[in-house]
This record gives sequence, structure tokens and C-alpha cells, in this order.
Amino acid sequence: NAGVTQTPKFQVLKTGQSMTLQCAQDMNHEYMSWYRQDPGMGLRLIHYSVGAGITDQGEVPNGYNVSRSTTEDFPLRLLSAAPSQTSVYFCASSYSAGRNSPLHFGNGTRLTVT
Amino acid sequence: GNSVTQMEGPVTLSEEAFLTINCTYTATGYPSLFWYVQYPGEGLQLLLKATKADDKGSNKGFEATYRKETTSFHLEKGSVQVSDSAVYFCALSFPTGNQFYFGTGTSLTVIP
Repeated sequence: NAGVTQTPKFQVLKTGQSMTLQCAQDMNHEYMSWYRQDPGMGLRLIHYSVGAGITDQGEVPNGYNVSRSTTEDFPLRLLSAAPSQTSVYFCASSYSAGRNSPLHFGNGTRLTVT
Repeated sequence: GNSVTQMEGPVTLSEEAFLTINCTYTATGYPSLFWYVQYPGEGLQLLLKATKADDKGSNKGFEATYRKETTSFHLEKGSVQVSDSAVYFCALSFPTGNQFYFGTGTSLTVIP
């Protein structure tokens, strides 16, 4: 009964380094998404996917890349980290973005860029 | 555009007090409405939802009614407990859409 699994839980990067935040779900959900959570800003959508091989940009996509090669996995890549990317990142999935299906969230990755 | 506005926090209440967290929305169309809760150190969890006007969602003593005429979905609980301390998010989505829209969250602390 894993649900949505995110790794790592914590990460510290130096400016300019790259890394990948992993996200996997075992619920056979079509829809997966990445959010960042910043104080006073709520959750902002970075990228989303409505199925394997399909991705699209959300509200704040700059500096991030995604891919969806399988239904289960939706990694988020930071190619050259910047201090402005210090945040808590959440992966979320749903049976479908529409059709009134709620999102299921992972426990988050807290990223600090120095 | 589509957006969700929540009351500013933080909110501090004594145990057994009545809770209201206001949420209003702007939407082009007929959205579904959700309340999510985030406990410290965890991801968000669905608390309740409503999919059409006048629907009432309820769970764990919390309730919210979809009011189309006032574009609101206020969260209420008659008697809060210390264990209800968390951040609460109002959100909307559309039956044919690809995005969820979240409010900024309201932090609730319940003191014994």
C-alpha cells in the first residue's frame, strides 16, 4: 500500500549542481504532477503528465525538466540548481486530473540550494 | 482565470472551539472543490470534496458546502481537537481539466 513514494526526503545542493527528484506511484494513475511549496505561496504546479510519453508545463516550469517513460515514474530534473529553487517539492498523482479525482501526494522532498 | 482564495492565517483556537476557514473561488466553468490537510512533515491528504452546487462534503467531523451563488466552500468543524492542528488547503479542479488550483493554505493550531 505504498501510494506515492518520493526520494530523497532531504537534499542540499550547491548552485549549478544538477539532480533528479524521484517519484513513483503504484496505483496505476494516469495523471502525475510536481508542485513546489513556498511560504505564503501555497502550492504551485511545475509540470504535469496525463499519461506515459506525455508531459506539459504548469505555472512555474523554468529550470525544471520532466519525462514520463512509464506509468509509474515521473522524475523531476534540476539541470543547474539556483538558490531560488530552494523549496519543498511534492509529487502527486490522480486517476485523472479531471473526472473529480482527488490528488494523492507523496511526503515531499526538502531541497536547499546554497 | 481560475483561482482560490483562503483566509489568512495562522489561526489559533482552544480545544472544543468552533472552526471556520473561509474559501472562495473564481472559475470559468463548474469546478469540483476540495479541502486538503497537511500534517507536519507530511504531504497533503484529501479531507473532503464536493462536485456540484449544494453538495456537502464531510469527513472526520469537518464539513463544507459548495455554494455556487457565493462561489464559496468554507470549511467548518463544531469542536476542534489538538490533533486537528495542521495546514488546510482549499482547491479546485475541472471534470475535463488537467490542473488543480490551490489556495495558499491556512495554518491551524489547537491548544489544550
